[in-house]
Amino acid sequence: GNSVTQMEGPVTLSEEAFLTINCTYTATGYPSLFWYVQYPGEGLQLLLKATKADDKGSNKGFEATYRKETTSFHLEKGSVQVSDSAVYFCALSEGFGNEKLTFGTGTRLTIIP
Amino acid sequence: DTEVTQTPKHLVMGMTNKKSLKCEQHMGHRAMYWYKQKAKKPPELMFVYSYEKLSINESVPSRFSPECPNSSLLNLHLHALQPEDSALYLCASSQDPLPLAGGFYEQYFGPGTRLTVT
Repeated sequence: GNSVTQMEGPVTLSEEAFLTINCTYTATGYPSLFWYVQYPGEGLQLLLKATKADDKGSNKGFEATYRKETTSFHLEKGSVQVSDSAVYFCALSEGFGNEKLTFGTGTRLTIIP
Repeated sequence: DTEVTQTPKHLVMGMTNKKSLKCEQHMGHRAMYWYKQKAKKPPELMFVYSYEKLSINESVPSRFSPECPNSSLLNLHLHALQPEDSALYLCASSQDPLPLAGGFYEQYFGPGTRLTVT
């Protein structure tokens, strides 16, 4: 079956530091890949997505590139802010339809001023 | 309006109680979802409704009973729950359950109902 493996947290960084959160996946076929963010007390928000190999998703300064050869979708940001503190989930969906999202375990990110 | 609302925000219930969780969206979405999220864990899909019909049940125990009375509303009826059912219950919706090939319709999540079973 499908699975997503994410970098264990928690991760604590200083403001303006460079962020990488690793994500690798196992899937049959050609899944779509996503990063969701969950701020304290809130539901999940889609941060970015990529639907095919070599696609780069980007939003709010975050980027991730769909690497089929390494089955990875690492999240990066060049300069993090305190407001980026949240839990980040890597996820995938099957190639046909989007009903079922398979999530990684989540990485809690804390940015200190 | 890209909001999914859920009520109540918090719910405490005994194992013999019957209660319901409610979810509402006014985005014209035709797919709605229930997820369960335990502390420090990712969300797990429970049910999917497509065009108001149940399309996916992820082998959820019958003490959880979903209902979709119309395209904007989704309920989750709870009966005889166990303490291990305590979790954050998230509702989500998307424009269409089966987008065109290669497409994806974002799932919009509500803030959740935090359920405690005593």
